[in-house]
Amino acid sequence: NAGVMQNPRHLVRRRGQEARLRCSPMKGHSHVYWYRQLPEEGLKFMVYLQKENIIDESGMPKERFSAEFPKEGPSILRIQQVVRGDSAAYFCASSPQGQGDNEQFFGPGTRLTVL
Amino acid sequence: DQQVKQNSPSLSVQEGRISILNCDYTNSMFDYFLWYKKYPAEGPTFLISISSIKDKNEDGRFTVFLNKSAKHLSLHIVPSQPGDSAVYFCAASEGGGADGLTFGKGTHLIIQP
Repeated sequence: NAGVMQNPRHLVRRRGQEARLRCSPMKGHSHVYWYRQLPEEGLKFMVYLQKENIIDESGMPKERFSAEFPKEGPSILRIQQVVRGDSAAYFCASSPQGQGDNEQFFGPGTRLTVL
Repeated sequence: DQQVKQNSPSLSVQEGRISILNCDYTNSMFDYFLWYKKYPAEGPTFLISISSIKDKNEDGRFTVFLNKSAKHLSLHIVPSQPGDSAVYFCAASEGGGADGLTFGKGTHLIIQP
């Protein structure tokens, strides 16, 4: 049973370009979460999605960031017109269901570097 | 406003001894707590969790204690092993784990031979 998969593992973009980060949850998991980790910081929650629905986007910056989890395919975190401050590690996590005590399982992360 | 605090950035423990990592929180609505272990360039790995209806949960060498009145939890690792050297994150959730997690900044545990 493969774990949470993220690609690419490393992504380099110049200022103003778009970054697309992909996440495939564990088999049987229908809930996806995105987190961002800045250097020397803990992980910060960004968004929580189920298939075709955004459940909680309270941690998402208001501009340039968007996320989706389509019926088919991976979840996508999209950052438009990237700036240097977007450089961070972006982690995706999945869990089997949204009720009860459920731990979230994390992928290896995508390290975004904005030049 | 940091709702989950890990006040020790690093902790050094001798191999074979007990490691105790601490975590404090301010949000009384948190009802589910987790500990994750993280190696450099990898994602966090789930270790152990505890619901607010309990005050202790044990899994092998790992035990988590929850003191709700003090809004404090701790992770005990005994005996400590070299492979335990990593950054440990405390995390909390309001929705029994269904909501996004709020993380502390982590404690770097170093196990000395």
